[in-house]
Amino acid sequence: AQSVTQLDSQVPVFEEAPVELRCNYSSSVSVYLFWYVQYPNQGLQLLLKYLSGSTLVKGINGFEAEFNKSQTSFHLRKPSVHISDTAEYFCAVSSGSARQLTFGSGTQLTVLP
Amino acid sequence: EAQVTQNPRYLITVTGKKLTVTCSQNMNHEYMSWYRQDPGLGLRQIYYSMNVEVTDKGDVPEGYKVSRKEKRNFPLILESPSPNQTSLYFCASSSLQVPEFFGPGTRLTVL
Repeated sequence: AQSVTQLDSQVPVFEEAPVELRCNYSSSVSVYLFWYVQYPNQGLQLLLKYLSGSTLVKGINGFEAEFNKSQTSFHLRKPSVHISDTAEYFCAVSSGSARQLTFGSGTQLTVLP
Repeated sequence: EAQVTQNPRYLITVTGKKLTVTCSQNMNHEYMSWYRQDPGLGLRQIYYSMNVEVTDKGDVPEGYKVSRKEKRNFPLILESPSPNQTSLYFCASSSLQVPEFFGPGTRLTVL
């Protein structure tokens, strides 16, 4: 079985400050890892994905994430956030079969002026 | 424009009255799936489909049915809705075997 833990349910941060949203996973097999963003009253949008290769993955809107196999983590980072980054962010994991995607409970990022 | 559409966007119904939520994508994707989103639980997969006439259960399939007769459409059917199915539902599609594009959501309330 696979699971995802997003360690922070709410992260407030000031505009232009850096941010890190934490995600830990558990799985008995090799994994694919994802971050999605959900803006208010909208569906989810794929931010970035790790399938294989380089452990540092770059996504849209200046976000990046690093896959750390030894720590079973896939934290999301941005060096300087904008007001428009205010949204809920979901980490997700899929096992090697890539058929079932398990989501974390989400982290609400609020960027303050 | 590439998109996933869902209808209706909002629905209030009563226990036991059959309903269907439609989902359509215009990207010729093979993979489609349904999720429900509940506060504090994130998204949970209900059903997914790898291609026409190929569907399989996700994590929470009880009380739901799906069909995939055409590549572009993947309706979600609640034969006898109950209050615990009150939720926000998302349809998704992808060329990968994980969702990339999500619909705008359907907020369902079952009284």
